[in-house]
Amino acid sequence: DTAVSQTPKYLVTQMGNDKSIKCEQNLGHDTMYWYKQDSKKFLKIMFSYNNKELIINETVPNRFSPKSPDKAHLNLHINSLELGDSAVYFCASSQETGPDTQYFGPGTRLTVL
Amino acid sequence: KQEVTQIPAALSVPEGENLVLNCSFTDSAIYNLQWFRQDPGKGLTSLLLIQSSQREQTSGRLNASLDKSSGRSTLYIAASQPGDSATYLCAVCGTGGFKTIFGAGTRLFVKA
Repeated sequence: DTAVSQTPKYLVTQMGNDKSIKCEQNLGHDTMYWYKQDSKKFLKIMFSYNNKELIINETVPNRFSPKSPDKAHLNLHINSLELGDSAVYFCASSQETGPDTQYFGPGTRLTVL
Repeated sequence: KQEVTQIPAALSVPEGENLVLNCSFTDSAIYNLQWFRQDPGKGLTSLLLIQSSQREQTSGRLNASLDKSSGRSTLYIAASQPGDSATYLCAVCGTGGFKTIFGAGTRLFVKA
């Protein structure tokens, strides 16, 4: 059973388009995260949600809008995609906010042409 | 502002060797420190989590230590195997409990 799943695994799109990445966790965790890993493999936190409420927004452009319909899901919607948005996006979850082990999804590789 | 540095950036060793990966952080006010493994094209797998009150954690051939006062952690891998080849990431969670900062990783290659 997949603990943290993301769809799609690969996403190729044109500049200016709007796209969404979905994340689901079946671990019963209260906290979910979105991370961006750039071409240099540096991993940076973007958002963190606890019980469907936003608790971290790390100076991410407002073209990125996370949505948490329930505790098990945290989707990432990106408007007006730019070349610099090309990266691998990882979803993660943990039982508590921060102090517990984070479990990562397999990642979504986004390529903006 | 917390910064996490990992040294070396890359490491190549023959199979069977014991090795140490280093992680340093600038702000000692941390909640915990976590070591992850990332295989090419894959997500991250948690290896060890050390709470700020702990000095070390062990799992199989892996041992992670934490010296909060000096802002350092080491990941010791005993008797390395080709299957250990991956990128190892150190991540520090601040005392707010919400924000995790990652190092750039150490890319390890174990030669058979």
